[in-house]
Amino acid sequence: SQQGEEDPQALSIQEGENATMNCSYKTSINNLQWYRQNSGRGLVHLILIRSNEREKHSGRLRVTLDTSKKSSSLLITASRAADTASYFCATTPQGAQKLVFGQGTRLTINP
Amino acid sequence: DTAVSQTPKYLVTQMGNDKSIKCEQNLGHDTMYWYKQDSKKFLKIMFSYNNKELIINETVPNRFSPKSPDKAHLNLHINSLELGDSAVYFCASSQGSGQGNIQYFGAGTRLSVL
Repeated sequence: SQQGEEDPQALSIQEGENATMNCSYKTSINNLQWYRQNSGRGLVHLILIRSNEREKHSGRLRVTLDTSKKSSSLLITASRAADTASYFCATTPQGAQKLVFGQGTRLTINP
Repeated sequence: DTAVSQTPKYLVTQMGNDKSIKCEQNLGHDTMYWYKQDSKKFLKIMFSYNNKELIINETVPNRFSPKSPDKAHLNLHINSLELGDSAVYFCASSQGSGQGNIQYFGAGTRLSVL
């Protein structure tokens, strides 16, 4: 069964606004990653947060992790047209050697 | 240089044919993967190899056979193609097979079975 589920499935905002995407998962994890996929391209790693971390920043990205609620959020501040892409969370369930991806949030930044 | 490259980028073929997709990584990674992304963008792992050894083999029809001649290459051969095999197939690699490894993806191979 699917481990991660992103919410919303699609998000459309104006350039300059902040975009927030959420991810929920089902089993205990060791870490959670976020990836971006531009149309017609492969996935690109954005950020990894470990289960003992609550928040992590990378440039305009801010990721939070709440292991008690089994959820994570990705915040993109001051969005740009180039941020238009699909964003996926991926978890590594404890004891597993694989990444399990959600279905992604399709983000559209309108100029 | 492209870190993870897969060929071909597009593959259009008839039902029942056999086809192969090739993948190569120049990152010096030990682990490589094949994923299938369906029309709803759901990405699911199919296989993983670590140093040429198969370590993940998800519930995939045995018409799909991966082959890793060395740790820089992981090819995917598909026999007797079916309509449901139409999808985008991604190759990826990571430094190791343990948890917390960041994966690097190729650009994908869009397979269309007619």
